[in-house]
Amino acid sequence: QVQLVQSGAEVKKPGASVKVSCKASGYTFTTYYIHWVRRAPGQGLEWMGIINPSSGSTTYAQKFQGRVTMTRDTSTSTVLLELSSLRHEDTAVYYCARGYGSGVGYWGQGTLVTVSS
Amino acid sequence: SYELTQPPSVSVSPGQTARITCSGDALPKKYAFWYQQRAGQAPVLVIYEDSKRPPGIPERFSGSSSGTMATLTISGAQVEDEADYYCYSRDSSGDHEGVFGGGTKLTVL
Repeated sequence: QVQLVQSGAEVKKPGASVKVSCKASGYTFTTYYIHWVRRAPGQGLEWMGIINPSSGSTTYAQKFQGRVTMTRDTSTSTVLLELSSLRHEDTAVYYCARGYGSGVGYWGQGTLVTVSS
Repeated sequence: SYELTQPPSVSVSPGQTARITCSGDALPKKYAFWYQQRAGQAPVLVIYEDSKRPPGIPERFSGSSSGTMATLTISGAQVEDEADYYCYSRDSSGDHEGVFGGGTKLTVL
């Protein structure tokens, strides 16, 4: 079965960077796009960007351009999200999710990133 | 930037029909997807490509789309359906840029 397993919770100071990993299994890694989505406390879901695991090409939401980098390692079927210049408002649960048609289908368990001084 | 608009809240009694709407200018050209998110859990896909139901999703969940509005319908809502619901679609100007609606809190009591 399709599984996306994310790395554990992180606590970072403002201005730092964070990396969250997402390891895929149960399907051919290069066949489906991976999305990153976050949910901040008291807020809704926010789409951050997408990566094509086959080519490595990415599309980022305009809000995050310049601060976000998505990469993949096909040898380990892992996608990595890096967010830099962290601010308090980046405190959120970050999800990776596999594409399902033109949308999002299977979700990881989520990774809590807390930005605190 | 492109936006999808949902009502903040919908409330129904158990057994009633709940309808949650999602409006967006690109919906005539782009599919809508719907997600259920219960407190403390990851989202779950309940409707894809406007009206299709993934395996394992109860038949009481259905979707439709007409013009600039997509609708999620829960026929005979159950207490366990109480959750936040989000629509998702893509901007017509780009191939891959996605957007979520603001979310609708469904209360069943």
